[in-house]
Amino acid sequence: SQQGEEDPQALSIQEGENATMNCSYKTSINNLQWYRQNSGRGLVHLILIRSNEREKHSGRLRVTLDTSKKSSSLLITASRAADTASYFCAAYRDDKIIFGKGTRLHILP
Amino acid sequence: GAVVSQHPSRVICKSGTSVKIECRSLDFQATTMFWYRQFPKQSLMLMATSNEGSKATYEQGVEKDKFLINHASLTLSTLTVTSAHPEDSSFYICSAGDRGLKHYGYTFGSGTRLTVV
Repeated sequence: SQQGEEDPQALSIQEGENATMNCSYKTSINNLQWYRQNSGRGLVHLILIRSNEREKHSGRLRVTLDTSKKSSSLLITASRAADTASYFCAAYRDDKIIFGKGTRLHILP
Repeated sequence: GAVVSQHPSRVICKSGTSVKIECRSLDFQATTMFWYRQFPKQSLMLMATSNEGSKATYEQGVEKDKFLINHASLTLSTLTVTSAHPEDSSFYICSAGDRGLKHYGYTFGSGTRLTVV
């Protein structure tokens, strides 16, 4: 079963703009992770935020976590063509990592 | 950083045959391995969790006799798709982690694209 639901399911923005993706989950978690997947390829771990953290930054990425609302957001600033990919949130709980449905991000030149 | 090697990256097999996919942790001991399946344009669905030396725990709806998982050592886990059928065609991804470092995320293999003809 899937833990998370991302929205939007698909997002197209102009290069240079910021992209925001949201993720909601159903149960309590130990941490929440975001991954990127290029078409037909493996996963790249982007960032992990623990349940006692509210915000985390890594380069052009900013992740927030609201445990009271069971939601997280991933912000990619100053988007580039190379950011075109699918992005998944994944909740870690009970020694399992369960993925959300993902957001397909397309950066337009 | 931690590296997980997954092979093969692509495999085409005939219906009715079995296919083995290997997942190796190269520079750490993988006490836990997860196996996922991903259909086109969909998310990763957890199939099973295996701990070294123990039987795998399968998610609901996953046939354990069809998807055989072996995790006999701390660096190797295998998934065997037995008597494969076209509906088993999918992208299979493994993930390995060390329970002692579980809060630091797991490392994923590069995936295996299985096509059953």
